[in-house]
Formats: sequence, C-alpha cells, structure tokens
Amino acid sequence: EVQLLESGGGLVQPGGSLRLSCAASGFTFSGYAMGWVRQAPGKGPEWVSSIRGDGGRTYFADSVKGRVTVSRDNSKSTLYLQMNSLRAEDTAIYYCVKRDYFDATGYAPLWEYWGQGTLVTVSS
Amino acid sequence: DIQMTQSPSTLSASVGDRVTITCRASQTINDWLAWYQQKPGKAPNLLIHKVSHLHSGVPSRFSGSGSGTEFTLTISGLQPDDFATYYCQQYSTYSGTFGQGTTVEVK
Repeated sequence: EVQLLESGGGLVQPGGSLRLSCAASGFTFSGYAMGWVRQAPGKGPEWVSSIRGDGGRTYFADSVKGRVTVSRDNSKSTLYLQMNSLRAEDTAIYYCVKRDYFDATGYAPLWEYWGQGTLVTVSS
Repeated sequence: DIQMTQSPSTLSASVGDRVTITCRASQTINDWLAWYQQKPGKAPNLLIHKVSHLHSGVPSRFSGSGSGTEFTLTISGLQPDDFATYYCQQYSTYSGTFGQGTTVEVK
C-alpha cells in the first residue's frame, strides 16, 4: 500500500524558513517523480515543485522560484522541501504527491497518490 | 502558463441526477487532462486521466470527454458519495495547473 507521510509544517514568521519532509513507503521510491502541491484555505490546488525519480532535474512554480529547493534521498525514500523567505501567501496545506507512472528519468505532473498534508502558516 | 477555467463554480443537484462540469484550457493541451475529486478535510483523489481514462477503482458513472481546449466531466446518476469538489488539471506542461474547482452540493 502506497503511503506518503508529510511532516515539518507549523507556524513561522514572515521571512522565516521551514523544511518539509515526506516519508514514502509501499513502492519503489527512486522510480517515480515526486512533487509538492499546496492548497490555501478555500482555494484550489497549486503546484509548487517537483523532482524526477533519479533526482536529476527539479521544477519550480514561479511563485516560489528562488525561495524553495526540493530534494530527495532515495536511500531513505524521503522527499524534502526547503522553504525560505516565507510570505503570508505561502500559508497553505502542503501535500506530498507521487506521479502515476514508473519512470526514473521522466516527468509529467499527473499525481496518482497524495499524502494527508501538513499545514504551513506564515504569520507574525 | 496555461490557465484552466471551470464552470460552474457551484452546482446544486439531487441524488440520481446527471451532472456535467466543464473545463476550458487557455491553449491546447491535447489529451493531457485529468480530473480529481476532493472532499472536505481530505486530499484530492485522481478520478480520470488522459481525458477519459478512469483511474483504478473509480465507478463507471464517472466519465470524461473533450479535446484540445474544451473538456467535460459527467456523473451519470449522482450518488450521495459524489457530493464534493471537482478539479480539472492539465499536465501537458511541467507545472500541471489546476482549475479553480466546481462544488457539487445537495439541492
């Protein structure tokens, strides 16, 4: 059974930093692109960042480019999102997501599995 | 970036109704269109990919159609479990933008 368990969310002041983690299990982690999708209260999902299965390429939304890095440790089946210079508009539930298709070097943002999400609140 | 526009934003319906949700892309996305269902307090669930392909375990009352820039999600015979918010998503570009959502509520 595929499981994605996010952690690391919380309350942070504007300008602060957070590191989110996603512990994955139930599938061959290194074979799948992974990503982060966020959802602000009452809004639709918004893609944030993705990384190929082999870690060889990363992708970022314009809204977070330069402030966010995504990485993965395939030996630990864990995905990370380092967020810096946080703003009020970054407040959202952050979901860890798994691509639908086994392809370590390919990428398409079709998300078959979602974690339960971790809440990030940016406020003074 | 490709913009996805859904209509209506809210739809009132009764159990047994046939429901149709429309999604329009700002430019052609070929067949790279997915639909998700989300219930309050839960993560979205993939329903349909590549316009009309039902994801594993999705009931056959759900169907998708369309091409190019215009797509529809149809629920034939609405069930109590189907009252939820539905999002379309294009995945022809690396960003995979979502629509703003359509909430199907009890009439």
